[in-house]
Amino acid sequence: DAGVIQSPRHEVTEMGQEVTLRCKPISGHDYLFWYRQTMMRGLELLIYFNNNVPIDDSGMPEDRFSAKMPNASFSTLKIQPSEPRDSAVYFCASSLGGSDEQYFGPGTRLTVT
Amino acid sequence: GENVEQHPSTLSVQEGDSAVIKCTYSDSASNYFPWYKQELGKGPQLIIDIRSNVGEKKDQRIAVTLNKTAKHFSLHITETQPEDSAVYFCAAGGNTGTASKLTFGTGTRLQVTL
Repeated sequence: DAGVIQSPRHEVTEMGQEVTLRCKPISGHDYLFWYRQTMMRGLELLIYFNNNVPIDDSGMPEDRFSAKMPNASFSTLKIQPSEPRDSAVYFCASSLGGSDEQYFGPGTRLTVT
Repeated sequence: GENVEQHPSTLSVQEGDSAVIKCTYSDSASNYFPWYKQELGKGPQLIIDIRSNVGEKKDQRIAVTLNKTAKHFSLHITETQPEDSAVYFCAAGGNTGTASKLTFGTGTRLQVTL
């Protein structure tokens, strides 16, 4: 079975540009999580969805960050405008309601110059 | 909110020895405690988890123990092998019958030397 799929795997962009990260959860999973990983702050939860509805976005750092889930098989995390401090690895994870187990994708390494 | 502390930050063991990683948590409502292994350039991979109604769980060379009174849990890896070298994360979350919102520890870099 395919796991969580993320694209792109690497993204390099200049400060001020818009960045869109994409995620396809495991088929049938109804929870989707976006995390950010940095050396300084570790692994932080940004936002999570249940049945395509955002449940908790308290981890989203600023209004420059937004996330959507238009359907059960696709989610995006957008940063506009991007800043060098947004450089990190962004992970998407999915889970099946009733089970706490979260399965992570391979991540997108974002570099903002 | 929940706060998870993890120790040590780095751990070096010889192949065949045991490795122990310890975590503490702050929120007594947390009742789900997974461990993840992250290899270089990859996403975290769930390797074992434990719930608060269980004190110990074992899966081959990996075991996890939980002391809910003291709010700490540990990962034990026996007979370590070079392929166990990775960064290990503990996490804590609350199970409300739905998916848990997890708080992660800061990670332990385990190196298994030959």
